[in-house]
Amino acid sequence: KQEVTQIPAALSVPEGENLVLNCSFTDSAIYNLQWFRQDPGKGLTSLLLIQSSQREQTSGRLNASLDKSSGRSTLYIAASQPGDSATYLCAVPQGGSEKLVFGKGTKLTVNP
Amino acid sequence: ETGVTQSPTHLIKTRGQQVTLRCSSQSGHNTVSWYQQALGQGPQFIFQYYREEENGRGNFPPRFSGLQFPNYSSELNVNALELDDSALYLCASSLPRGRARNEQYFGPGTRLTVT
Repeated sequence: KQEVTQIPAALSVPEGENLVLNCSFTDSAIYNLQWFRQDPGKGLTSLLLIQSSQREQTSGRLNASLDKSSGRSTLYIAASQPGDSATYLCAVPQGGSEKLVFGKGTKLTVNP
Repeated sequence: ETGVTQSPTHLIKTRGQQVTLRCSSQSGHNTVSWYQQALGQGPQFIFQYYREEENGRGNFPPRFSGLQFPNYSSELNVNALELDDSALYLCASSLPRGRARNEQYFGPGTRLTVT
């Protein structure tokens, strides 16, 4: 059974700081990994999807890496802004299915 | 290209009642998945529909049921509501695996409160 853990559960940083969010998963037989952003009470916004054949993906100030063999992914946010404040979730498929298994998320607060 | 839409936005029901939540998938997507997200938790997979057939189910009782229509829109029905059913219900659409990276796109969710 796939399990996903995200560390830390919460993070508070001053504006402008670079930061790293961590995600680990127990079953390395995944075909992709997806990072999402969730604002309070809202739905999920897809940030980055990394295929199993890739090691990283970049979008603007965001960079996500994937190390399947160790069951880890990181989301790097450069030059953080108050607008980045949200909960960040990572998700991987369960086995070979399309069912996503999520971590509990990291709640990020960027202080002006 | 329209995104995933869900209705209603908020809903308040009484324990024992029944509820129907609706989802319209992103244009061109024929796979719809439903998730339940309790406060402070990650979303939990309920079930998935592909071409109007159930294509996988999570650890939810039979009182959670669904439908997918020929236009790929979907419904989630919950019977005999319990207090623990209070949650944000999320719908996600995608192309089948092997097509366009299988990225899942989520709607804004329906907040269900059971009293």
